[in-house]
Amino acid sequence: EDQVTQSPEALRLQEGESSSLNCSYTVSGLRGLFWYRQDPGKGPEFLFTLYSAGEEKEKERLKATLTKKESFLHITAPKPEDSATYLCAVLHAGGTSYGKLTFGQGTILTVHP
Amino acid sequence: KAGVTQTPRYLIKTRGQQVTLSCSPISGHRSVSWYQQTPGQGLQFLFEYFSETQRNKGNFPGRFSGRQFSNSRSEMNVSTLELGDSALYLCASSLGARGTGELFFGEGSRLTVL
Repeated sequence: EDQVTQSPEALRLQEGESSSLNCSYTVSGLRGLFWYRQDPGKGPEFLFTLYSAGEEKEKERLKATLTKKESFLHITAPKPEDSATYLCAVLHAGGTSYGKLTFGQGTILTVHP
Repeated sequence: KAGVTQTPRYLIKTRGQQVTLSCSPISGHRSVSWYQQTPGQGLQFLFEYFSETQRNKGNFPGRFSGRQFSNSRSEMNVSTLELGDSALYLCASSLGARGTGELFFGEGSRLTVL
């Protein structure tokens, strides 16, 4: 069964304390992995796309990496405004020609000042 | 450039009623997807439309239906509402001739079923 698992479910950090979020997947026919940020009461906001193992993308304090079985979202020196739920999603064959997008359950990140 | 617009933002219904939610995608985007988000299940895919044709459907009962109009605007309908249908319903659009995970989401319609 196609599965996307994020860990930890929740992460509390002090401002400036770097850490990583994990997204592991078991899918057939990976076509891409995507990271989103979701603030309370809002829809998810697209952050990154990764297509192949070894690929990295950066944006401000965030860096996403991809291996054959998982992706990491590294947060360097986080600030309170980085507090949000971070979602990963995997586009895979899913038995259709257009592909199927499966989301993980998300990691709730809280950064304390 | 205007983002994805969903209406209504909040609504309360009772069991057995039906509801229609509306989504206007970003101008030029031809693909619209719908998701249900709940604390327990996370984001669950409902369906995807491209150029007025449903091209993907999630594992939801037939009470959930949708359609897309020629201007790419989309509606979803839930009939015979159940308590478990209480959720945030999110619409997302993309340029979308082919499947993609780069979606632009609206702020959602929060449905409460009493």
